[in-house]
Amino acid sequence: SQQGEEDPQALSIQEGENATMNCSYKTSINNLQWYRQNSGRGLVHLILIRSNEREKHSGRLRVTLDTSKKSSSLLITASRAADTASYFCATVTDKLIFGTGTRLQVFP
Amino acid sequence: DGGITQSPKYLFRKEGQNVTLSCEQNLNHDAMYWYRQDPGQGLRLIYYSQIVNDFQKGDIAEGYSVSREKKESFPLTVTSAQKNPTAFYLCASNEATGEVFRSNQPQHFGDGTRLSIL
Repeated sequence: SQQGEEDPQALSIQEGENATMNCSYKTSINNLQWYRQNSGRGLVHLILIRSNEREKHSGRLRVTLDTSKKSSSLLITASRAADTASYFCATVTDKLIFGTGTRLQVFP
Repeated sequence: DGGITQSPKYLFRKEGQNVTLSCEQNLNHDAMYWYRQDPGQGLRLIYYSQIVNDFQKGDIAEGYSVSREKKESFPLTVTSAQKNPTAFYLCASNEATGEVFRSNQPQHFGDGTRLSIL
């Protein structure tokens, strides 16, 4: 069963623009994690936000969590061509469940 | 240089054949996981192990088997019973203790093995 659903499925932007990806989930969570996957590679952990946190920053990444709406967003500011990848949210309840991902393409 | 090593990168299976995917980690992590990724989909959990000589089925364990004889190694065997094995297989580990998936520890991933049918 799918817990996290990302939106949009695909996103194309120019370098320098901001990219926003959203994740919605169905049940209460302990924490929510965002991962990045370059084509043909493994996933890389980006950021973890606990259920009692509302916002978290890491470099050009900003993650928000709204537990009342059961949703999270990942914002990448001043995007670069190297940010081109798929981004997954993963919710932690009694198991870690990954969403289907957002494919981000950043054009130079 | 700590990390997770998966081998081989590409693997081909003949009908009726069992194949084994290797996963080795030198991060001294207790927990290890195997996921399957199909195109356009998220990761689905096959098996996981919290300690040596113990492992649990995930959501799609049918047609797969694992062993955990050493802390650093968690090989996955795709058996002939798995009728649709073509996928990208990812191994991960973390420092999870207690209730494995309630841990706030992120998972570290290898670079995957792509399995195809001949």
